[in-house]
Amino acid sequence: AQSVTQLDSQVPVFEEAPVELRCNYSSSVSVYLFWYVQYPNQGLQLLLKYLSGSTLVESINGFEAEFNKSQTSFHLRKPSVHISDTAEYFCAVSDAGATNKLIFGTGTLLAVQP
Amino acid sequence: NAGVTQTPKFRVLKTGQSMTLLCAQDMNHEYMYWYRQDPGMGLRLIHYSVGEGTTAKGEVPDGYNVSRLKKQNFLLGLESAAPSQTSVYFCASSSQTRTGELFFGEGSRLTVL
Repeated sequence: AQSVTQLDSQVPVFEEAPVELRCNYSSSVSVYLFWYVQYPNQGLQLLLKYLSGSTLVESINGFEAEFNKSQTSFHLRKPSVHISDTAEYFCAVSDAGATNKLIFGTGTLLAVQP
Repeated sequence: NAGVTQTPKFRVLKTGQSMTLLCAQDMNHEYMYWYRQDPGMGLRLIHYSVGEGTTAKGEVPDGYNVSRLKKQNFLLGLESAAPSQTSVYFCASSSQTRTGELFFGEGSRLTVL
């Protein structure tokens, strides 16, 4: 069975500081990995995904994540955060099967302070 | 361009009552899902469907039933609500050609007293 662990339930950070949100996964088969973002009172939105190829993937708003197979990790990073990045971030894994169903981690609340 | 629409957005039930949550998508997606979100537990998959007339169990299916009679709709039913089913429920849909890209509704907040 697959699982995702997000060890940090909340990460406070000051505006313009760098941030890393940690994600580790467990799976016995090849996986696809994802980061989703949830703004207050909204549904989740896809931020970025790793399917194959380059292990470093980027989003359009400056986030990046690196797939590390040996450490079974997919940490999310941003070199300089903005107040508008305040949201809950979910790491998710899929088993590359034909159903597209995702297993989510417990989420990390990124709280950006001025 | 509505995307994924959930109704109702809020509902309060008494223990033992029944209700149905409706999810509708206008993107012609093959796959649809119901998740529940609870504090500190992330999102957990209840049931999902890979096409009209098909459904399958997810991680936490007990106490719920689903139906997908039309491709655009996915219904989640609670036959006898329990306080443990107090949660925020999210419906999502995806295309079989877009790996892992789920489109979520805005959620339905259910409270069972």
